[in-house]
Amino acid sequence: EAGVAQSPRYKIIEKRQSVAFWCNPISGHATLYWYQQILGQGPKLLIQFQNNGVVDDSQLPKDRFSAERLKGVDSTLKIQPAKLEDSAVYLCASSSTPQGGGREYFGPGTRLLVL
Amino acid sequence: QKEVEQNSGPLSVPEGAIASLNCTYSDRGSQSFFWYRQYSGKSPELIMFIYSNGDKEDGRFTAQLNKASQYVSLLIRDSQPSDSATYLCAVKLTGGGNKLTFGTGTQLKVEL
Repeated sequence: EAGVAQSPRYKIIEKRQSVAFWCNPISGHATLYWYQQILGQGPKLLIQFQNNGVVDDSQLPKDRFSAERLKGVDSTLKIQPAKLEDSAVYLCASSSTPQGGGREYFGPGTRLLVL
Repeated sequence: QKEVEQNSGPLSVPEGAIASLNCTYSDRGSQSFFWYRQYSGKSPELIMFIYSNGDKEDGRFTAQLNKASQYVSLLIRDSQPSDSATYLCAVKLTGGGNKLTFGTGTQLKVEL
């Protein structure tokens, strides 16, 4: 079974630029998450999708971050414009349980450095 | 007060010893508890989850939950150098839409 795929693996941009990340969950997983993990901290949930609907985006900085999950499969996370404090690893995870939570499978992450 | 708290470590134990990792949480209505292992530069991987008070064992790993004390721990028996990693405690909070809230993680070092 293929795992969660993410691209790119690494990205370096200057502040105020835009960046987009892509995630392909495990086949058949209805729940998809985007987490932000800053160095030395645990992952923080940015947004949770159930199929193509948003379940929780309470911690998503909506003035600069956006995410979508078209057709309930792949997802993209965008930052526009980026700030220095956005430097982090962006992890995508998916879950097969109906309402998500726990038993999440993480992708390899995208390391973002904002200069 | 943080929702999920862990000592950042590092916790150093000799090879073959028992490593004890601790986590406290603030929401008394928390329903389920998870331990993830994260190697440096890698993504988290689930080791164990526990829902009920008491102990749950899986190979060299034992998770312990005490809801009255709002405390969950992970014991690693016969620690190996390959166990050296950061261990993340995560909690599913009541009414939180089934989302996981993570602690900051405890770095474990198993020394030869």
